[in-house]
Order: sequence, then C-alpha cells, then structure tokens
Amino acid sequence: NAGVMQNPRHLVRRRGQEARLRCSPMKGHSHVYWYRQLPEEGLKFMVYLQKENIIDESGMPKERFSAEFPKEGPSILRIQQVVRGDSAAYFCASSPAGTSEGSSYNEQFFGPGTRLTVL
Amino acid sequence: AQSVAQPEDQVNVAEGNPLTVKCTYSVSGNPYLFWYVQYPNRGLQFLLKYITGDNLVKGSYGFEAEFNKSQTSFHLKKPSALVSDSALYFCAVRDTGRRALTFGSGTRLQVQP
Repeated sequence: NAGVMQNPRHLVRRRGQEARLRCSPMKGHSHVYWYRQLPEEGLKFMVYLQKENIIDESGMPKERFSAEFPKEGPSILRIQQVVRGDSAAYFCASSPAGTSEGSSYNEQFFGPGTRLTVL
Repeated sequence: AQSVAQPEDQVNVAEGNPLTVKCTYSVSGNPYLFWYVQYPNRGLQFLLKYITGDNLVKGSYGFEAEFNKSQTSFHLKKPSALVSDSALYFCAVRDTGRRALTFGSGTRLQVQP
C-alpha cells in the first residue's frame, strides 16, 4: 500500500512565477491536509479538503494561495506570483473518513514533502 | 484556540540512557495528542497518539508517552535511547471538532554513542 505521494520533491521558481504542488493521498483516504514548514520551525496548518470540498482553509494566506481536491486526480496546492518568503517545505497528509473516537481516522499520514525554493 | 509548547530546542542523551522530550498543550475541549518524528529531508512519521483511555500510551520503536491532564502535558519517553533515535520530534494537538493539527516547534534529539 503506497503511502502519501507528493511531487515534485523539489521545485525551483523565480519570483512572480506560479508553483503547483501535487499530492496523492493513501489508498482509501478521502481527506487531505496541507501544511507548510519554514526552516527550523514546526509545521503550520494551511488547508483541509475532502473530495471537491474545502472544509477548513483557516491557515491559508488570503492572496495567491489556493487548493483543490478534485473528484479524480491528486490534490493541488497552487501558489501564484511566488515571493522569496514562500520558500519552504510543503507537506501533504491524508486520513481516512470516520467518526469513531480512537479510530485510525485521527492519525494523519504525511508525504515526503515538496521543497520550494524561490529565487 | 489550540496551542502546543515544546520548551526544549534540543535534548542530548547518551546511548542506553532514558530520554524524555517535553510537550505541553492548550485546547478548549478534549485533546487528541500526537507525536511525530522527522528525519532529515523526510516527511513526518507517526509515533503514537492519545485519544482516550489509559494515560500511558505505547507507540512505535519503543517510545511511549504519558498524558497528564492536570499538568496539560504529553511527554515522550523511551527507557533506553539509541543513536538511531537522533531526529526532530514534534508534538501535535487536535481539538475536538477540528481536523487540523497544531504542531509544536520541535525538539531535536541527539543521542551520543
């Protein structure tokens, strides 16, 4: 059972370009989360999506950032007009659906991350 | 609002000695608590969780954590450290009603041979 897949693993963009980061959740998982990790810091929540729905985007910057999780295909985190401050590692995580306390839905399984460098 | 504090940037321990990595949390409801480990240039690996039940939780690679509600703490422990345990450790909390995890700033564990 493949884990969470992210691509590309490394992405270099010049200021003003667009960055597209892809995430394929674990098989059977329908919930996707995006986190950002700045150098020497912890992970900060950005957005939580289910298929075709954004559930919680409280951590997303108001401008230039968007996310989607279409019915078919991977989840996409899109950053328009990148700036140097966007340089970070972006991690995707997934979890299964479920509501029972103690069930495995509580854990989030993380991908290897995409390291974005903005020149 | 939920928050997590990891008061130590780095913990140094000799191989074979017990280790403790500290974590305190703040949530408005019942806490769901997690420990993850991150190796260089890798994603986070799940170690263990506390949802409900016994305060002592056992996880992967011999790690365990103790939930203390009165002290709002969830310290990670291991009876005998290995050099291969050297990594960055993150404590995280999730409040009931939300799925988003809030992470601490991380503690770097260095185990000396």
